[in-house]
Amino acid sequence: GESVGLHLPTLSVQEGDNSIINCAYSNSASDYFIWYKQESGKGPQFIIDIRSNMDKRQGQRVTVLLNKTVKHLSLQIAATQPGDSAVYFCAEATSNFGNEKLTFGTGTRLTIIP
Amino acid sequence: NAGVTQTPKFQVLKTGQSMTLQCAQDMNHNSMYWYRQDPGMGLRLIYYSASEGTTDKGEVPNGYNVSRLNKREFSLRLESAAPSQTSVYFCASGDRDRVYGYTFGSGTRLTVV
Repeated sequence: GESVGLHLPTLSVQEGDNSIINCAYSNSASDYFIWYKQESGKGPQFIIDIRSNMDKRQGQRVTVLLNKTVKHLSLQIAATQPGDSAVYFCAEATSNFGNEKLTFGTGTRLTIIP
Repeated sequence: NAGVTQTPKFQVLKTGQSMTLQCAQDMNHNSMYWYRQDPGMGLRLIYYSASEGTTDKGEVPNGYNVSRLNKREFSLRLESAAPSQTSVYFCASGDRDRVYGYTFGSGTRLTVV
């Protein structure tokens, strides 16, 4: 079946450095992608999203890049802070006759080293 | 501005017992979802409801039932709990315009012994 996966399960970054978290997806019909941040004991929190008609979108300290040719999604976090330590999930949404399902990757644990 | 509210936050069940997890959203979203999250894994879709009055199976529906009571509420029922259903359960809601993605509740940690 279709799946969304991550290249690296763990990532450690020095505070202040930039981090990049990668994600591969396999469903070419997906038209909407989201990055979530999940802190321990909490539900996933929306970070940034991107639609399939775009290849880049920027937020506050975060940038999402979408490469549809190779079905690759990345999340860039600039000037990382201790509060960025969390598990990050990518997710894809595929509309199906009005019924939309959101499929998640397995997650990457980002650790910011002080 | 509660967003998505789940109850209870924690629950311990004995094998064979039944229970219902409650979820309510106050954002007037059409779609609601139930996911489970197991250690070291991503979120897997159990059931979803694209709109009031409709429900569909997700990736792992066996052992669960759902009810979309109205636009606000979407409940998940375990009729006969099994240890394999020990997990953290998340409810989420979203709208067709996909504004700010999908909003998640804080989760229910369920242990079946």
